[in-house]
Amino acid sequence: EAQVTQNPRYLITVTGKKLTVTCSQNMNHEYMSWYRQDPGLGLRQIYYSMNVEVTDKGDVPEGYKVSRKEKRNFPLILESPSPNQTSLYFCASKETGAYGGYTFGSGTRLTVV
Amino acid sequence: KNQVEQSPQSLIILEGKNCTLQCNYTVSPFSNLRWYKQDTGRGPVSLTIMTFSENTKSNGRYTATLDADTKQSSLHITASQLSDSASYICVVSRNNYGQNFVFGPGTRLSVLP
Repeated sequence: EAQVTQNPRYLITVTGKKLTVTCSQNMNHEYMSWYRQDPGLGLRQIYYSMNVEVTDKGDVPEGYKVSRKEKRNFPLILESPSPNQTSLYFCASKETGAYGGYTFGSGTRLTVV
Repeated sequence: KNQVEQSPQSLIILEGKNCTLQCNYTVSPFSNLRWYKQDTGRGPVSLTIMTFSENTKSNGRYTATLDADTKQSSLHITASQLSDSASYICVVSRNNYGQNFVFGPGTRLSVLP
């Protein structure tokens, strides 16, 4: 089954403790992206990657890092999480082309206390 | 400023009734417009995608319209079902490579028996 897999689904952590949210897709998509979703706001892009070893900032990149060492994986790294990073995070991958289908993962609900 | 606005913010209807959700955008340039359905706690799932030249597109009981002149889109749901309860998100793509998306805040639809 074609899918984007994120782990973990839920995470509670303390301020300053480094964490990584993993994302993997099995569709051989070149494009992958991370979003955060907060109440009353639309999905906001954190980082995206056009291909292996190619990453770029989205609209809200502060406090996050990503890497794209292989096509299928696109982890999101929070080096020193803060409470304002409490949010629902989605990883997505996209078919090549302007009208390519976008597949989202099931989300990771992160709480930073 | 590139923005996507949706109305109403939330909507409650009875099972079997029709409803229409609105999307207004000020995004430029414009490549395509997508409607997504997002169940609570899950990733968004694509319903329709329309290019500049398309006025209407259907997917089962969902029909989307686009007026590129007035920069408005609507999503019409016919004969609603309980499973239609979800958030519906309007997304505008800014370029032909498809990596620059502007998300609306969504409309929360509740279908009651």
